[in-house]
Amino acid sequence: AQKITQTQPGMFVQEKEAVTLDCTYDTSDQSYGLFWYKQPSSGEMIFLIYQGSYDEQNATEGRYSLNFQKARKSANLVISASQLGDSAMYFCAMIHQAGTALIFGKGTTLSVSS
Amino acid sequence: DTGVSQDPRHKITKRGQNVTFRCDPISEHNRLYWYRQTLGQGPEFLTYFQNEAQLEKSRLLSDRFSAERPKGSFSTLEIQRTEQGDSAMYLCASSRTSGSSDTQYFGPGTRLTVL
Repeated sequence: AQKITQTQPGMFVQEKEAVTLDCTYDTSDQSYGLFWYKQPSSGEMIFLIYQGSYDEQNATEGRYSLNFQKARKSANLVISASQLGDSAMYFCAMIHQAGTALIFGKGTTLSVSS
Repeated sequence: DTGVSQDPRHKITKRGQNVTFRCDPISEHNRLYWYRQTLGQGPEFLTYFQNEAQLEKSRLLSDRFSAERPKGSFSTLEIQRTEQGDSAMYLCASSRTSGSSDTQYFGPGTRLTVL
């Protein structure tokens, strides 16, 4: 069965620092997708970045990059130059086939201080 | 594109009452999903529509829950005879067929409190 593990309940970082949020996954599928979402206190899930299992290069979207290590089954999110507005809950998620359910981890709370 | 919208944003009800939530997906998105999120957890899948067809239901979707998407546009999720354990955030997401990524975009959620 597919499973997402996020081992860091909370992370604390100062503004302008980089931070890495860990995510490991378990699947026997060869084709799958990995996502990161941000959930501020307002509750809305905001899509950040996507990595396909066959993508050879790590995904990047502005200040977000995904450190994809397929052999280790890890998909860590790297946020460069943290901002106060980055304070939120971050969820790693996996999909094994387009059009089916996302499987989420338990999330990591990121707190950015000035 | 206008994002996914959900109504109401908050709902407080008494145990045993029925409640209905609405989700309007991003226009032209043919796939629509419902998730439930309890405190301290990630969202859990409830059900999924492609156009008007309900293609997948989770074991979490007991017979008190029913979802519809009658014209392949908006969707409703009804909970009958609510229980305190139904208190959660109900999230709707939509996506369109676009190959392998099929990114799901979420609405702001409906927070249900059952007293």
